[in-house]
Amino acid sequence: AQTIHQWPVAEIKAVGSPLSLGCTIKGKSSPNLYWYWQATGGTLQQLFYSITVGQVESVVQLNLSASRPKDDQFILSTEKLLLSHSGFYLCAWSPYTSQNTLYFGAGTRLSVL
Amino acid sequence: EQQVQQSPASLVLQEAENAELQCSFSIFTNQVQWFYQRPGGRLVSLLYNPSGTKQSGRLTSTTVIKERRSSLHISSSQITDSGTYLCAMEPTEGADRLTFGKGTQLIIQP
Repeated sequence: AQTIHQWPVAEIKAVGSPLSLGCTIKGKSSPNLYWYWQATGGTLQQLFYSITVGQVESVVQLNLSASRPKDDQFILSTEKLLLSHSGFYLCAWSPYTSQNTLYFGAGTRLSVL
Repeated sequence: EQQVQQSPASLVLQEAENAELQCSFSIFTNQVQWFYQRPGGRLVSLLYNPSGTKQSGRLTSTTVIKERRSSLHISSSQITDSGTYLCAMEPTEGADRLTFGKGTQLIIQP
């Protein structure tokens, strides 16, 4: 069975500090991977997607970057956090090129102070 | 402009009542999905319904492409159905750009 694990569960970071959030998918080769973000009380937005190792497409510009260093790993990062980066980050995978079948991680709650 | 509009914003029902959630789109789409967001935030896919009517257990979704709308009907609601229901669409298949609505917060009371 496939599993998706996000880390960390929660983070409290200072403005201007770096950030790295991770997502690992086990049990599925070559999944399509996605990052989403939801500000507190806001609408969920898709940030990035990746269909293969080393290839990441940006959907929304939020001064964040994403990388896929391995087939089963998706990393979201920034060198300098902003207050506006606070919120809930979700990683998901799909076995297809379309997002019509998505499996989500438990999410990471980020507070930037 | 908000591409995906959901209504109502919140809905309070008694257990066993039926719930009707609505979603409308600013553009034509045949890639419509419904999700359930648990109180802790985790998202669960409920139904992918590009057109027509689809059913999964107590959930029934109807999407009318030419009217740019979709609905989600929850029959015989249970307390555990409480949470936020999100509608989302892709402008075209394979576009890899999923756009979400703000959601309907459903509260089921005993």
